[in-house]
Amino acid sequence: AQKITQTQPGMFVQEKEAVTLDCTYDTSDPSYGLFWYKQPSSGEMIFLIYQGSYDQQNATEGRYSLNFQKARKSANLVISASQLGDSAMYFCAMRETGTGNQFYFGTGTSLTVIP
Amino acid sequence: DTAVSQTPKYLVTQMGNDKSIKCEQNLGHDTMYWYKQDSKKFLKIMFSYNNKELIINETVPNRFSPKSPDKAHLNLHINSLELGDSAVYFCASSQRTGGGSYEQYFGPGTRLTVT
Repeated sequence: AQKITQTQPGMFVQEKEAVTLDCTYDTSDPSYGLFWYKQPSSGEMIFLIYQGSYDQQNATEGRYSLNFQKARKSANLVISASQLGDSAMYFCAMRETGTGNQFYFGTGTSLTVIP
Repeated sequence: DTAVSQTPKYLVTQMGNDKSIKCEQNLGHDTMYWYKQDSKKFLKIMFSYNNKELIINETVPNRFSPKSPDKAHLNLHINSLELGDSAVYFCASSQRTGGGSYEQYFGPGTRLTVT
C-alpha cells in the first residue's frame, strides 16, 4: 500500500484565493511526522510545514496551514491568499518513528496560480 | 551559507561511463540521503546513511554506491551509466536523533543526462 497518497496531479487557483492540496497517509505507527515541501520550476525542494502525530493543534506557517485529521489519516495543505509565486509542485511526506525515521514522499500535486 | 550543497549542478555523460556527485551539509545533521527524481517528478529514495547504518533501497541497482568520507559528506558513485539513469539527483540531510521534527533539507539537485 502507498504510504502517502496525493490524488490531485494538477490544481488551478485564482490569485488571492485559498486552495487545499490533499494528502492521505497510511501508517500503524503511533508516532510519526507529516511534512509538506514545495518544488518551484527552478527545481529546489523547500520545506514548508510540519505536523507531529501528537500535536493537538494544526500547524501554521504564514500563509500555509496543515489541516490534520488524524482519524481520517489526512494532512491537507491549505494555502491562503494564493500568489503567482506559489505555482509549483507540492509534495506531502511522512516520517515514521518506528522505521528509524524513514521518510516517504507522495507523487506530488502541480499547483498553478492564475492571475 | 548554503546548508546542503551538491556538485556538479549539471552532468552530461555517455553511456558506460563512471561518474560521481558530491554532497556536503553544514547543518551538523547525523543522517544524509540520496533521492532520484524522474521526469514525472516522482521522488524515490535511494539511500539513507548515518555513521552507524546504511539503508539501501532494494530497487537501486548495485551500480550506485554511496560513499561517506565523514559525517558532513555523502557522495554518490555511479558505474556503467545507462540511459535510464538520466534524472535529477537530490542529496538531503536531517537530524534523526534527539527529538524534533527531523525535517529533511535538500540540496539544489544534480541534473544527470546520459547520452
